[in-house]
Amino acid sequence: QLQLQESGPGLVKPSETLSLTCTVSDGSISSSSHYWGWIRQPPGKGLEWIGSIYYVGNTYYNPSLKSRVTISVDTSKNQFSLKVNSVTAADTAVYFCARQFRWRGGSFYVYIDQWGQGTLVTVSS
Amino acid sequence: QSVLTQPPSVSGAPGQRVTISCTGSSSNIGAGYDVHWYQQLPGTVPKLLIYGNSNRPSGVPDRFSGSKSGTSVSLAITGLQAEDEADYYCQSYDSTLSGYVFGTGTKVTVL
Repeated sequence: QLQLQESGPGLVKPSETLSLTCTVSDGSISSSSHYWGWIRQPPGKGLEWIGSIYYVGNTYYNPSLKSRVTISVDTSKNQFSLKVNSVTAADTAVYFCARQFRWRGGSFYVYIDQWGQGTLVTVSS
Repeated sequence: QSVLTQPPSVSGAPGQRVTISCTGSSSNIGAGYDVHWYQQLPGTVPKLLIYGNSNRPSGVPDRFSGSKSGTSVSLAITGLQAEDEADYYCQSYDSTLSGYVFGTGTKVTVL
């Protein structure tokens, strides 16, 4: 059973950069059938898609976050990463990494079939 | 602010049937993009409940069903059980935003 595990600082200061890594185990990140994504959930609120990446490096970002977000992949380490620049308290959330299955091909028909456990990132001085 | 709207809450007695709507527009559900549903039990990670509007992954009870009509979709839970008390989210693709979107979320309460 494939597993995803987020890692990174749980506390980030305002205006600094949030950096998280997702390690994929018991499965390959170099899968033509999947995208790899980041989703976040502020405390007590709903889910927000941040962005996704394909193993060859194609990226897709939420327009509302695009100017501050970078997602990258390292196939040699079976990892993908998230960076969010210039964070504020509004970026405080549980951050999930996830595997997205391209069940009908293309980038439109995609659902999340595996989630990481999530990691709480708090933005505070 | 999500482009997929769900009722904030629905409730029902054990054994009853409840439905959760997910309303979109011509750039997402109305454009023919599939809708998927996730269940998030309290304090846990979301779990895939329905994919492709109406398909259940293996292991999901047939009490859960999905349907689509026009620019809205619905998730139905029949024979409501206490363990169904959770938050439910729809998700699709939006061509205007060129990205994936989640619904606003619905809390299901079992009375």
